[in-house]
Amino acid sequence: DVKVTQSSRYLVKRTGEKVFLECVQDMDHENMFWYRQDPGLGLRLIYFSYDVKMKEKGDIPEGYSVSREKKERFSLILESASTNQTSMYLCASKQGYEQYFGPGTRLTVT
Amino acid sequence: KQEVTQIPAALSVPEGENLVLNCSFTDSAIYNLQWFRQDPGKGLTSLLLIQSSQREQTSGRLNASLDKSSGRSTLYIAASQPGDSATYLCAVGSSNTGKLIFGQGTTLQVKP
Repeated sequence: DVKVTQSSRYLVKRTGEKVFLECVQDMDHENMFWYRQDPGLGLRLIYFSYDVKMKEKGDIPEGYSVSREKKERFSLILESASTNQTSMYLCASKQGYEQYFGPGTRLTVT
Repeated sequence: KQEVTQIPAALSVPEGENLVLNCSFTDSAIYNLQWFRQDPGKGLTSLLLIQSSQREQTSGRLNASLDKSSGRSTLYIAASQPGDSATYLCAVGSSNTGKLIFGQGTTLQVKP
C-alpha cells in the first residue's frame, strides 16, 4: 500500500513564527504536492514538485516556500506565520495517474 | 481557467438507497478525473480514477462515469450504507503533471 505521512496531525503556532510541515512518501514517487483546504474554498494547490530540488508554484504560493532535498520528503515552509494561514494542510504524492494523500495537518496560528 | 462544480453540496438519504453524485467541469480538455472520499478531519482516500479516454470505472458498489463532451462525471453508489457517510470530492487533472482542480464536494449522510 502507498503510504504518505505528515509530521503532525495538529499544530498550534504563534504569529511570526517559522513553521515547517513535513511530508514523507514511501513509494519512490516523483511528483509531490501541497494543498490547503478551507471551508467554502475547497482544496487549493500551494506548490508541487516533480523531482528532487525542482518545484513549481501552484495557485496560492504567496507566504509559502517548499524544499525537496530527497525524493521521499517534501517540506512546506511558512516563513512568518500569519492568522490567515490557519487551515488544514494536505500533502499528496503521485504514482502513475493517481494521487495519494496524507492524513493532513490542522494548523492553527494565533 | 478550469472550474469544477459539485451538486448538491449536501445529501441525506435512507440506508439502502441508490444515489448519484454529480460533478461538472468547464473545460473538456482534461487528462483524467478522480473521485475521492474524505471523512471529517481526515485526509483524502482515492476511490476511482477515470482516464480521459475511458467512459467509466467500477469498484465494488461504486461506479463513476465520464462524459467529456458535456463536461460531466457522476459517481453512482449502490445500496448505500451508513459507513458511506462522508464528503465526496471530484478532481480534474488537466495535464500529466498531476495538478488537480477540485470541486467543493458533496457531503453525504446515510441514515440507518
